[in-house]
Amino acid sequence: NAGVTQTPKFRILKIGQSMTLQCTQDMNHNYMYWYRQDPGMGLKLIYYSVGAGITDKGEVPNGYNVSRSTTEDFPLRLELAAPSQTSVYFCASSYPERVVTDGYTFGSGTRLTVV
Amino acid sequence: AQSVTQPDIHITVSEGASLELRCNYSYGATPYLFWYVQSPGQGLQLLLKYFSGDTLVQGIKGFEAEFKRSQSSFNLRKPSVHWSDAAEYFCAVGAHSNSGYALNFGKGTSLLVTP
Repeated sequence: NAGVTQTPKFRILKIGQSMTLQCTQDMNHNYMYWYRQDPGMGLKLIYYSVGAGITDKGEVPNGYNVSRSTTEDFPLRLELAAPSQTSVYFCASSYPERVVTDGYTFGSGTRLTVV
Repeated sequence: AQSVTQPDIHITVSEGASLELRCNYSYGATPYLFWYVQSPGQGLQLLLKYFSGDTLVQGIKGFEAEFKRSQSSFNLRKPSVHWSDAAEYFCAVGAHSNSGYALNFGKGTSLLVTP
């Protein structure tokens, strides 16, 4: 199993550009999440999804959009990149009934720089 | 809202010395608690978790943590630290919402191991 796969691993964007961070998992997990990690700030939840067609905002959703058309994929969209979105982005997934016992499976992250 | 606090931003220990990383949680009922480790440039790996039962839990890589309800703490310990333990450590608590379940992470503790 590949687990949770994130692409790209690194990206540099100019202010105002848009891009999509891809996340796919092959474990048939219903729950998927996007976090951003900033130095000294830990991980902040951007958006999450409890199944195909269902998404909800987390703690820091402004400037981002998501969609969940399939169980496997949960892309994160940045429409107008801003320097404040420079961060490392992590995607994670879990079975609903095993979030409590097993936590998440994380991807390896996407490091995004907006200049 | 459920939250965790990691009071120490940085900790330095000598190789072979014992280690304790602090985590305090805020939650009304019995919390679901996790410790994750992040090596430089990597994703997050689950070290151990607690959701019920024995308050002393064992994890991977020789780590353990003790749940103390009276102190609202879930501190991570290791008897003898190895240079390869240098990493960022995150404590997390499970949080329910009407839409599902997510983990709230602390800001992390950066561990430096000296020879």
